[in-house]
Amino acid sequence: GENVEQHPSTLSVQEGDSAVIKCTYSDSASNYFPWYKQELGKGPQLIIDIRSNVGEKKDQRIAVTLNKTAKHFSLHITETQPEDSAVYFCADPGATGGFKTIFGAGTRLFVKA
Amino acid sequence: DGGITQSPKYLFRKEGQNVTLSCEQNLNHDAMYWYRQDPGQGLRLIYYSQIVNDFQKGDIAEGYSVSREKKESFPLTVTSAQKNPTAFYLCASSIFGRSSGTRQETQYFGPGTRLLVL
Repeated sequence: GENVEQHPSTLSVQEGDSAVIKCTYSDSASNYFPWYKQELGKGPQLIIDIRSNVGEKKDQRIAVTLNKTAKHFSLHITETQPEDSAVYFCADPGATGGFKTIFGAGTRLFVKA
Repeated sequence: DGGITQSPKYLFRKEGQNVTLSCEQNLNHDAMYWYRQDPGQGLRLIYYSQIVNDFQKGDIAEGYSVSREKKESFPLTVTSAQKNPTAFYLCASSIFGRSSGTRQETQYFGPGTRLLVL
């Protein structure tokens, strides 16, 4: 069945460094890829998304890149800050015929001050 | 002020007791979802509903039940048959559902309910 693989599961960076999280999907018909950030004790919130008609999208310090040929998309966070520490989930909402979203397993990002 | 709300924030269940978690949205979304999250783990789908009066089992539906009598509401009951209910429960909604016939897009999550067993 369809799935989304997310790596790494844990990532520790120094404040000011960059962080990259990668996801690989299996459904070649998928065309929309969101990233969610979950802070401790809260629900996940959308931080950025990308559609298949573009290869990259940027919003201040975060960006997402998409490689449809290789079926992977990545989250890039530059100039990391302690408040970026959270769990990040990628997702493929188009999987399984489009009626439920497949989430990656999550990446726990630690930004050390 | 639109959004998705869950109540209560914390819930305690005694052995053999059924408990119901509330989820309400005023976003006019067709689709609603329930996920379970265990410590340090990802999101596992319990039930989802694409339209009023219809719902489908997710990956871990055993021991849970839902109803969708109104578009705005999707309560989850954790029954006594669920032997390990301690977890963080997240409700979500999405604008697209079966009525629109299109694929899913962004999901909007509530703040979650933490269920603990006494």
